[in-house]
Amino acid sequence: AQTVTQSQPEMSVQEAETVTLSCTYDTSESDYYLFWYKQPPSRQMILVIRQEAYKQQNATENRFSVNFQKAAKSFSLKISDSQLGDAAMYFCAYFGNEKLTFGTGTRLTIIP
Amino acid sequence: DTGVSQNPRHKITKRGQNVTFRCDPISEHNRLYWYRQTLGQGPEFLTYFQNEAQLEKSRLLSDRFSAERPKGSFSTLEIQRTEQGDSAMYLCASSPGMYNSPLHFGNGTRLTVT
Repeated sequence: AQTVTQSQPEMSVQEAETVTLSCTYDTSESDYYLFWYKQPPSRQMILVIRQEAYKQQNATENRFSVNFQKAAKSFSLKISDSQLGDAAMYFCAYFGNEKLTFGTGTRLTIIP
Repeated sequence: DTGVSQNPRHKITKRGQNVTFRCDPISEHNRLYWYRQTLGQGPEFLTYFQNEAQLEKSRLLSDRFSAERPKGSFSTLEIQRTEQGDSAMYLCASSPGMYNSPLHFGNGTRLTVT
């Protein structure tokens, strides 16, 4: 079974600074997809970024980028120029066997 | 695209009662998923549908839980004889079903069993 591990229960960052959230996963598959989702206090889960495992190039979406290390099974999220609206729970997720498996999340606090 | 809609937003019930939640996916999304999320945890997979067919159920889904998607559109999740341990957020998500398609989540239904 696939597992996703987020070792940072909480992180904080000064507004306008950069922060990196860690994620590791375990799988025996070679083709899969990885996602970062954001869950603000309003609670709806929102897609932040996705990465196809067969692509070596790291995905980027505006201020959000990933560092995907397939051999190490690592998938970290970097948020640049942090904004107050980035405050939320961030979940790393692995898509395999037709479903998403989530990590336990990292609560990100933005310090004004 | 009006997004995934879940009703009710909140449900408070007494232990032993039955409850039913509804999920309306994004139109033309043929995949529909149910997840459960407890405080401080990530969502846990419960079950998913491809159109009206229920293709997988988690071991978390005990005999007291049943999910349906009768016409391949909306879905219901029923919990019979609720227990305090059922208190959680129940999330519904849908996707077009293509392998790299992200899941789109609803706002969830928060269940409190007293």
